[in-house]
Amino acid sequence: AQKITQTQPGMFVQEKEAVTLDCTYDTSDQSYGLFWYKQPSSGEMIFLIYQGSYDEQNATEGRYSLNFQKARKSANLVISASQLGDSAMYFCAMREPPPGRRALTFGSGTRLQVQP
Amino acid sequence: DVKVTQSSRYLVKRTGEKVFLECVQDMDHENMFWYRQDPGLGLRLIYFSYDVKMKEKGDIPEGYSVSREKKERFSLILESASTNQTSMYLCASSALATNYEQYFGPGTRLTVT
Repeated sequence: AQKITQTQPGMFVQEKEAVTLDCTYDTSDQSYGLFWYKQPSSGEMIFLIYQGSYDEQNATEGRYSLNFQKARKSANLVISASQLGDSAMYFCAMREPPPGRRALTFGSGTRLQVQP
Repeated sequence: DVKVTQSSRYLVKRTGEKVFLECVQDMDHENMFWYRQDPGLGLRLIYFSYDVKMKEKGDIPEGYSVSREKKERFSLILESASTNQTSMYLCASSALATNYEQYFGPGTRLTVT
C-alpha cells in the first residue's frame, strides 16, 4: 500500500522568501506519480505540480518546483518568492499506475502562513 | 474551462436521514472519485468509479454507497447518516492516463446532528 508522510503540520515564512514543504512517500511500485495540491481557505483543491517517477528532471511550474529524490523517496515542494496569497494548506499526493485504482493517496497536509 | 460541480456547499442533516451528494463533471472524464477530508487526516478515498455503472471501494467505504448512471455524474449516498460522518466531502474526476491530475469540486461541508 502507498503512504504519504508530511511531517510539518504548520509552517511560517516571510513574504518574498523561499520555503520548502516536506513530503516523503512509500511504495513498492516502480511507476507512480507525485502531485502537490494547494487548498486555500475557500476549500477548493488547486493542482500545482506533477512529477513522474521516471522523470529525470525535477518538475517546475512558475514559482513552484518539486525537489524529487527518488532514492530517499522524497518529493519536497519548493515555493520561491512567497506571496501572501500562498497562505493555504498544501497536500502531497501519490497516484498508483494502472491497473491500480488511479485514486490519489494524500498526506495529512501542511498549513503554510506567509507573513508580511 | 474544466469544471466539477457539487450540488451543495453546506448541508445539515439529522441522524438517520438518507443523504445524497451529487457531483457532475463536464470534461468527459472516465474516472470519478469521492474523498472525505478531516483535519489532520488529509483526504481519504471513499469510493471511485472508472466507468458508467462501475464502482470500487476505497479506503473508508463503510456507511456509504455510490451511483454512476451517467458518465458525467457520480453520486455519494449516506444510507443512514451518523454524527461521525460530519465532514468535508470532495468529488474529483480525471482522465484515464496516469499523469493526469485530478480536478476537484468545491466540496460539500456536511454536518449531521
